[in-house]
Amino acid sequence: GQNIDQPTEMTATEGAIVQINCTYQTSGFNGLFWYQQHAGEAPTFLSYNVLDGLEEKGRFSSFLSRSKGYSYLLLKELQMKDSASYLCAVRDKGAGSYQLTFGKGTKLSVIP
Amino acid sequence: DVKVTQSSRYLVKRTGEKVFLECVQDMDHENMFWYRQDPGLGLRLIYFSYDVKMKEKGDIPEGYSVSREKKERFSLILESASTNQTSMYLCASRPQTGYYGYTFGSGTRLTVV
Repeated sequence: GQNIDQPTEMTATEGAIVQINCTYQTSGFNGLFWYQQHAGEAPTFLSYNVLDGLEEKGRFSSFLSRSKGYSYLLLKELQMKDSASYLCAVRDKGAGSYQLTFGKGTKLSVIP
Repeated sequence: DVKVTQSSRYLVKRTGEKVFLECVQDMDHENMFWYRQDPGLGLRLIYFSYDVKMKEKGDIPEGYSVSREKKERFSLILESASTNQTSMYLCASRPQTGYYGYTFGSGTRLTVV
């Protein structure tokens, strides 16, 4: 099984940088995903990490350390539209590799 | 643009009714999934299908069944709806191979009264 932890809520100021952490415990590991979900909408894919290190995509970056079971999503130059929930999800290695297990999500509020 | 379409955005059903939630994808994806999302509990996997006519139980299959008769369509069935099945239901799909995440549908908010 898998256990995924991320903070429930965070608040940050427009223009600032925010880091959302995710820790996981899994019997096997085959990739970690970050999704963004605005209220009342479907999650949308942000990033994918399977090897250690930083993946950068515009204002968003995601980091993975497999040995520590740790990832973070870094959002730079925050905008009001970044107010959303951010979901960390882990894909297991093996027979269940089709499926993702999601954390409960971090609700980010960006304030002026 | 790739799409996962869920037939209803909002649905209100009575306790005991049989409820069908439909999901169609146009990406020729092999894998399809049904999740429910509840405040404080996150996304929980109900059932998934890795190909036509195939189905596997997820973490919370009780009270649900599924059907995958065609590759593009994955149906979630609530055999006898109960109030504790009031939730947001999300369908997703992905290709069998490759390091791809899911593409989600827009969700169906089901209320059972």
